[in-house]
Amino acid sequence: GENVEQHPSTLSVQEGDSAVIKCTYSDSASNYFPWYKQELGKRPQLIIDIRSNVGEKKDQRIAVTLNKTAKHFSLHITETQPEDSAVYFCAASSGAGGTSYGKLTFGQGTILTVHP
Amino acid sequence: DAGVTQSPTHLIKTRGQHVTLRCSPISGHKSVSWYQQVLGQGPQFIFQYYEKEERGRGNFPDRFSARQFPNYSSELNVNALLLGDSALYLCASSLEGATSPISGNTIYFGEGSWLTVV
Repeated sequence: GENVEQHPSTLSVQEGDSAVIKCTYSDSASNYFPWYKQELGKRPQLIIDIRSNVGEKKDQRIAVTLNKTAKHFSLHITETQPEDSAVYFCAASSGAGGTSYGKLTFGQGTILTVHP
Repeated sequence: DAGVTQSPTHLIKTRGQHVTLRCSPISGHKSVSWYQQVLGQGPQFIFQYYEKEERGRGNFPDRFSARQFPNYSSELNVNALLLGDSALYLCASSLEGATSPISGNTIYFGEGSWLTVV
């Protein structure tokens, strides 16, 4: 089955710096790669996603890149703010028989702390 | 994504008991998935249902079961509760049963049901 590895497990930056979180996946059939932000006691909230037909997607301060050949994707947050502090999870869709269905396999999470 | 509703939000059960968790997907969404999130870990896939049929099952024991109703809402049932079943149970909603490399079928999570087994 799909396996998603996420690094680093913790990331501490100063306000205004950039933060980068990286994930690798194993199933070449995966075609959907969302990123979720989870604040303490809350649900995972979708912040950006990318599909396998594109290599990069940007939404204001957040961008995601995908390298299908290397099977890795990354989250980039620029001009970080204290409210960006949270746990970030990457995920990859997976399925069986060469097709991807609605199952998400998550990485282990990255605790991002943005210091004022 | 605020449209995925789950109940109850919090509950405490005793070992050996049974629990039923409920989920209503976003209006128009036909797929519901269930995930278990233990403290400090990422969500783990339990089940996916699409058009009332089971599409996928994760590595969970038979004590876990689920179903989807004609209105696309869903129930997750857990029998013979163990202490290790204490977790946040998340319901995820999407329009279709499969993700696409092109567009569509974004997956949204509900607020979850916090289950504590004592």
